[in-house]
Amino acid sequence: AQSVTQLDSQVPVFEEAPVELRCNYSSSVSVYLFWYVQYPNQGLQLLLKYLSGSTLVKGINGFEAEFNKSQTSFHLRKPSVHISDTAEYFCAVSGPMEYGNKLVFGAGTILRVKS
Amino acid sequence: GAVVSQHPSRVICKSGTSVKIECRSLDFQATTMFWYRQFPKKSLMLMATSNEGSKATYEQGVEKDKFLINHASLTLSTLTVTSAHPEDSSFYICSARAHYEQYFGPGTRLTVT
Repeated sequence: AQSVTQLDSQVPVFEEAPVELRCNYSSSVSVYLFWYVQYPNQGLQLLLKYLSGSTLVKGINGFEAEFNKSQTSFHLRKPSVHISDTAEYFCAVSGPMEYGNKLVFGAGTILRVKS
Repeated sequence: GAVVSQHPSRVICKSGTSVKIECRSLDFQATTMFWYRQFPKKSLMLMATSNEGSKATYEQGVEKDKFLINHASLTLSTLTVTSAHPEDSSFYICSARAHYEQYFGPGTRLTVT
């Protein structure tokens, strides 16, 4: 079984400052890792994903994440945030297709960008 | 890109009635769709996995007789909340799987009065 821990429930940050949203996972099998963003009363939008290959993954809206297998982490970063980045961010993990490819989500981190 | 729609976006119903929510993959075929429930200020909880042409697989603790799922075609899955009660009020989100990714619908806000 997989599990995901997002260490911060809320992260306040000033506009144009860098931000890191932390995510740790546990799994007994190889995993795929995802970050999603959710704006109020909307569904989830995929920011980026790690399936294999390069451990540094670049996504949309200037976000990137680094897969660290030894630390079982997949932290999300952005060098300079905008007011429009205010939203809730979910880290998720899934196992291989033969395990049903189900997504397990972390509890979410609310990013609040202040002017 | 892959687009998933949900209908309705919001629904208010009276206690004891049933509500059907539709999830459609608009530009791709999805043999597998997922239904999630999201409580206020909480993460998404997987309710069931919907496979085209077969019975849905429910997660532990989810009442299959209360949350009926039908995946009649490669582009449509429906979730029917039967005999709804106020505690069923929630945000329901579906997703459709394509390769290793899941594409999410915009969600349906259900309020049971």
